[in-house]
Amino acid sequence: EVQLVESGGGLVQPGGSLRLSCAASGFTFSSYWMHWVRQAPGKGLVWVSHINSDGTRTAYADSVKGRFTVSRDNAKNTLYLQMNSLRAEDTAMFYCAKLDGDGFDSWGQGTLVTVSA
Amino acid sequence: QSALTQPASVSGSPGQSITISCTGTSSDVGGYNVVSWYQQHPGKAPKLLIYEVTKRPSGVSNRFSGSKSGNTASVTISGLQAEDEADYYCSSYTSTTTSWVFGGGTKLTVL
Repeated sequence: EVQLVESGGGLVQPGGSLRLSCAASGFTFSSYWMHWVRQAPGKGLVWVSHINSDGTRTAYADSVKGRFTVSRDNAKNTLYLQMNSLRAEDTAMFYCAKLDGDGFDSWGQGTLVTVSA
Repeated sequence: QSALTQPASVSGSPGQSITISCTGTSSDVGGYNVVSWYQQHPGKAPKLLIYEVTKRPSGVSNRFSGSKSGNTASVTISGLQAEDEADYYCSSYTSTTTSWVFGGGTKLTVL
């Protein structure tokens, strides 16, 4: 069974940093592109970032470019999102998702990031 | 990155059919057959319903079907059931940024 388990969320002050993790199991992690998607409270899904299967290619939404860095450790079956210079508008549930073909077929339960003084 | 355009809400009675649209551009929905649809119940993670415009993952009811015409994709839910009440999102690859984009979401109410 595919499992994605996010962790690392919490309350952080504006300008602060957090590192999210997504532990994967039940599939060959190193074969799949992985994505981060976020959802502000009461709002819709927003794509944040992706990384290719071997970690050599990444992409970011304009809203996080230069502040967030996605990475992965295929030996540990883990996806990361380093978030710096956090802003109030970054407050959201962050999901990791596995892209299979052309659909996000597996999602974690999410980790909540709250940016507030 | 602009979101794909979905109606904010739709509603239908049990047993009826409803359709939710998702409008993009030739750089995303219209240019690629990679539109997918997700169902999200309150407090839950999204669930894949449709991928590659028309395909259903195993385990997804055949009451859900997808289609596309030009720059607009659609998902149709037939035989509406109470448990279909949820938020629905479309998504597509976009060549504008070589990344992915979601629709703003549609809240389905089963009357």
